[in-house]
Amino acid sequence: AQSVAQPEDQVNVAEGNPLTVKCTYSVSGNPYLFWYVQYPNRGLQFLLKYITGDNLVKGSYGFEAEFNKSQTSFHLKKPSALVSDSALYFCAVRDLTSGTYKYIFGTGTRLKVLA
Amino acid sequence: ETGVTQTPRHLVMGMTNKKSLKCEQHLGHNAMYWYKQSAKKPLELMFVYNFKEQTENNSVPSRFSPECPNSSHLFLHLHTLQPEDSALYLCASSQGSLGGYEQYFGPGTRLTVT
Repeated sequence: AQSVAQPEDQVNVAEGNPLTVKCTYSVSGNPYLFWYVQYPNRGLQFLLKYITGDNLVKGSYGFEAEFNKSQTSFHLKKPSALVSDSALYFCAVRDLTSGTYKYIFGTGTRLKVLA
Repeated sequence: ETGVTQTPRHLVMGMTNKKSLKCEQHLGHNAMYWYKQSAKKPLELMFVYNFKEQTENNSVPSRFSPECPNSSHLFLHLHTLQPEDSALYLCASSQGSLGGYEQYFGPGTRLTVT
């Protein structure tokens, strides 16, 4: 069965420091992988995705993520965190071979950037 | 309006009431989705529509009834809900329902069942 794990409920980082939000996945075939961000009282907002090609994907607001097939991971990174990056981050996966229409989401990681 | 809009933003209803949630997307997408978001749980996919046809019903209780009259509009009709149905209901759309299309979400309807 497809699944996504975000092992950290919360990540704290000082402003200006690099940040990493972790995501691992389990699918039976090749994955499509996504990161979304949710600000308070808002819906999810797309940040970036991995479909194929270069393992390092760049997205909105200076975020990037690295697809690692051997470790089945897709960690979200940013070189220098901003206080405004504080939000809830969701990783999602879609299995290309299952024929399902489902996107499977993780439970979310709350990022707090401290001034 | 741009993007995905949802009305109402907040809804309080009794267990015997009937109400409807509305979603509209202004992106020209062909697929629309309903999700339930509860605290400390993963997003739960409820329904998927592709070109107005329902393609996924994720074992959702019949007290939730979706309707998709066209590719731009999606409704969720609610009746005889339970307190555990209180949650944030999110609508989303994507260009297609298969492949690597990202989803665009509305702001959600915060539903409280009393």
